[in-house]
Amino acid sequence: ETGVTQTPRHLVMGMTNKKSLKCEQHLGHNAMYWYKQSAKKPLELMFVYNFKEQTENNSVPSRFSPECPNSSHLFLHLHTLQPEDSALYLCASSQDLRETNEKLFFGSGTQLSVL
Amino acid sequence: AQKVTQAQTEISVVEKEDVTLDCVYETRDTTYYLFWYKQPPSGELVFLIRRNSFDEQNEISGRYSWNFQKSTSSFNFTITASQVVDSAVYFCALSASNDMRFGAGTRLTVKP
Repeated sequence: ETGVTQTPRHLVMGMTNKKSLKCEQHLGHNAMYWYKQSAKKPLELMFVYNFKEQTENNSVPSRFSPECPNSSHLFLHLHTLQPEDSALYLCASSQDLRETNEKLFFGSGTQLSVL
Repeated sequence: AQKVTQAQTEISVVEKEDVTLDCVYETRDTTYYLFWYKQPPSGELVFLIRRNSFDEQNEISGRYSWNFQKSTSSFNFTITASQVVDSAVYFCALSASNDMRFGAGTRLTVKP
């Protein structure tokens, strides 16, 4: 079992669909993150959770809705997305909340295509 | 504001060539950390190295080496005798004041 597992690996959805991305970490970490990776752009931090509590929302549109039921699981609920939301969505975890020297452990991502 | 620039979008080399990936950063903090991550085709970013702002010693790990120069705000990454398995996207990142910023990544292709 890898440290951070994301499902599904690939997702194609229409603009009116509702879907969810799932992330699970098996590392005993306390902090979890959602990042968006678009081609030729820096990774964009979307949400941060620490001990299940959301500590950061980087001006993400409300069509993205995170959920963190416990320190091991993180979801990203999607609804009425736009084609420009097509990207690789990466989940990451760290032992504690983004201390300056904290390294991140990433999942393999969900490649999302919005038609 | 913090910023990381990886000016090289894509690099292609032939196996056994040496290749250097550039990373330039901006920060006003005096205490910060620099990172390199590798993203193979499987997707997950894999941590390679972390360096704090007070340690300018260069580091070598096998075929990998890192050159940290505060005077030029650079943290460059060199792969010696590249191999096909080195093909990946490489990200440089800066962390300061609990804020981590990534560069746009450099896609390295190593041809046999």
